[in-house]
Amino acid sequence: NAGVTQTPKFRILKIGQSMTLQCAQDMNHNYMYWYRQDPGMGLKLIYYSVGAGITDKGEVPNGYNVSRSTTEDFPLRLELAAPSQTSVYFCASSYSAGARGTGELFFGEGSRLTVL
Amino acid sequence: GESVGLHLPTLSVQEGDNSIINCAYSNSASDYFIWYKQESGKGPQFIIDIRSNMDKRQGQRVTVLLNKTVKHLSLQIAATQPGDSAVYFCAENKNFGNEKLTFGTGTRLTIIP
Repeated sequence: NAGVTQTPKFRILKIGQSMTLQCAQDMNHNYMYWYRQDPGMGLKLIYYSVGAGITDKGEVPNGYNVSRSTTEDFPLRLELAAPSQTSVYFCASSYSAGARGTGELFFGEGSRLTVL
Repeated sequence: GESVGLHLPTLSVQEGDNSIINCAYSNSASDYFIWYKQESGKGPQFIIDIRSNMDKRQGQRVTVLLNKTVKHLSLQIAATQPGDSAVYFCAENKNFGNEKLTFGTGTRLTIIP
C-alpha cells in the first residue's frame, strides 16, 4: 500500500493563479481531509469528506474548493491564489468515525505551496 | 472559545531519559484526545489516543494521562531515543468523531545524544 499520496510536493504560484493539489489513498478509507499548517503552528482543517459525493467545510475553507467523485481521490482547488495561502498542505484519510475504534488519521507527506 | 494549547513550545531531553509533553485544552465537551508525532518534512503520525472515560492509557514506551478536572493531557515517552526527536501535537474532538479534530500548536522535542 502506498497510503496517502500527495502531488505536487512543492509549488510556487503567482498571485491570482489557480492550481489543484492532488490527493489519493489506497486504503479504502471513507473519510478524507485537507489541512493546512502554517510555520510553527498546528494543523487547521480546510475541508473534509465522509464519502464519495459528500464534502463539508472545516475551520478555514475560504479560498478553496474540493470534490470527491471517487473513494480514492480528494483534490483541493485554489482558484485565485493569495499570499495568505502560502502554507504546507496535508491530505489525510481515515476509517469512518468510530468504525475501527480509533481516530487515527493517515497523513500524506505534504505539499509546500508558496504564493508570490 | 475552543483551543488546544501546549505549555512548552520546546523541550530538550537527554537520550535515555523520560520525557513529558503537556497539553491544555479548554473545551470541556471534548471527549477524545490523540497524540501525533511529526518528523521534519513529513506528515503527522498517530501515536496514541485516549477517551474521556479513561485517565491513563499505555502503548509501547508511551503513556498518555488525562486529567479532566483541570483539562490537561500529557504524553510520557520512556527511555527516549534519537528517533523520538520531532514535533508532538495533541488533538481533541467531541463525540469520538474524526471529522473535526482540533490540533494544538505543537511541542518540539529534541533528544540530546
